[in-house]
Amino acid sequence: SQQGEEDPQALSIQEGENATMNCSYKTSINNLQWYRQNSGRGLVHLILIRSNEREKHSGRLRVTLDTSKKSSSLLITASRAADTASYFCATEETSGSRLTFGEGTQLTVNP
Amino acid sequence: SAVISQKPSRDICQRGTSLTIQCQVDSQVTMMFWYRQQPGQSLTLIATANQGSEATYESGFVIDKFPISRPNLTFSTLTVSNMSPEDSSIYLCSVERGDRETQYFGPGTRLLVL
Repeated sequence: SQQGEEDPQALSIQEGENATMNCSYKTSINNLQWYRQNSGRGLVHLILIRSNEREKHSGRLRVTLDTSKKSSSLLITASRAADTASYFCATEETSGSRLTFGEGTQLTVNP
Repeated sequence: SAVISQKPSRDICQRGTSLTIQCQVDSQVTMMFWYRQQPGQSLTLIATANQGSEATYESGFVIDKFPISRPNLTFSTLTVSNMSPEDSSIYLCSVERGDRETQYFGPGTRLLVL
């Protein structure tokens, strides 16, 4: 079974709009993390939410976690063209430090 | 955060050859990880590189194909052996720092095998 499935696979919005990406997972986790990747480059860590947290904010980012539904969402408010990138969720399972990545959402913000 | 560099940043190789990728971190870290990202795909963990012991490989990855070295707490190498076009991917190293929860990634090595 696949951990960390994301939807949508691709999202295209206009600058200034909000973007919401969702992630579902299957096992028990210690935390869930969101990363951004620009054009096949290295990943940039955005935000981490622990299993005992429900919501977290960082600048224009808002992450929610629902452990009963095994799902998370990433909201980017007031999007900018520079937010265009692939966004990945990654879960750290309770069994150890390994991260399991979702399939990613390709976000395009049109100027 | 952590400053992580990888060498080479990209390479084009012939099938049947091997390539060693280096990962250097600006400070000592306990855990280092190697990932593969095939074209248009997500990241898959290859192995965890432990200092002073053998790497721990994930299902589907073997030491003969992806030998790893971890000679100290700031450096690791991943070798892609006997390459085929299917090995064309981005290879990324990552480390855990500080809170031991967040992983920080290097810029990646983009490999094309002809």
